[in-house]
Amino acid sequence: DQQVKQNSPSLSVQEGRISILNCDYTNSMFDYFLWYKKYPAEGPTFLISISSIKDKNEDGRFTVFLNKSAKHLSLHIVPSQPGDSAVYFCAAVLPQGGSEKLVFGKGTKLTVNP
Amino acid sequence: EAGVVQSPRYKIIEKKQPVAFWCNPISGHNTLYWYLQNLGQGPELLIRYENEEAVDDSQLPKDRFSAERLKGVDSTLKIQPAELGDSAVYLCASSRFPLLTPTDTQYFGPGTRLTVL
Repeated sequence: DQQVKQNSPSLSVQEGRISILNCDYTNSMFDYFLWYKKYPAEGPTFLISISSIKDKNEDGRFTVFLNKSAKHLSLHIVPSQPGDSAVYFCAAVLPQGGSEKLVFGKGTKLTVNP
Repeated sequence: EAGVVQSPRYKIIEKKQPVAFWCNPISGHNTLYWYLQNLGQGPELLIRYENEEAVDDSQLPKDRFSAERLKGVDSTLKIQPAELGDSAVYLCASSRFPLLTPTDTQYFGPGTRLTVL
């Protein structure tokens, strides 16, 4: 049972426009959320995170929004650049008695066209 | 600061053969993770070490998979014998502490892509 869902396998946007990547989750015990970016033949790299007590976190061109009542978060990239083309994973942190477990979605492949 | 190092980067073997993957975490990172990533899926945790102790191996298929982290630094993940369904990317990650925070997360290596023929 997928606890973290990224329902769009791919997304294509024009350079300079906004990219919006979505993520839904089912477990209300998750206490914060992260986005990872992955280029081909590389490991995922941390991009941005948000605590479950906040509804927005911004870092440069990247903003993550959290809607706890809807169990939904989204990553906004503005403006999108060709170098942003990658697979983006949504991940959630599940507390487990003193240590935590990361639960990942399946990823969304973003293509930014010049 | 050097990142997480993994080797080999690619491995092709025939089914029923053994295979081993090696990981060197970021210096000073006490917690080490091995993940499995199937095609089109996100990483899934196989085992987590705190120093040399395996503290979460509930998702490790123990009939054919084994792992070790003898001196609390480098780690090896082994499959014996390999099956066709083991074809995947095996990712190693490390973090300073087991208790993750929004600013202290896991850092991943490039992974080993295993192909079982």
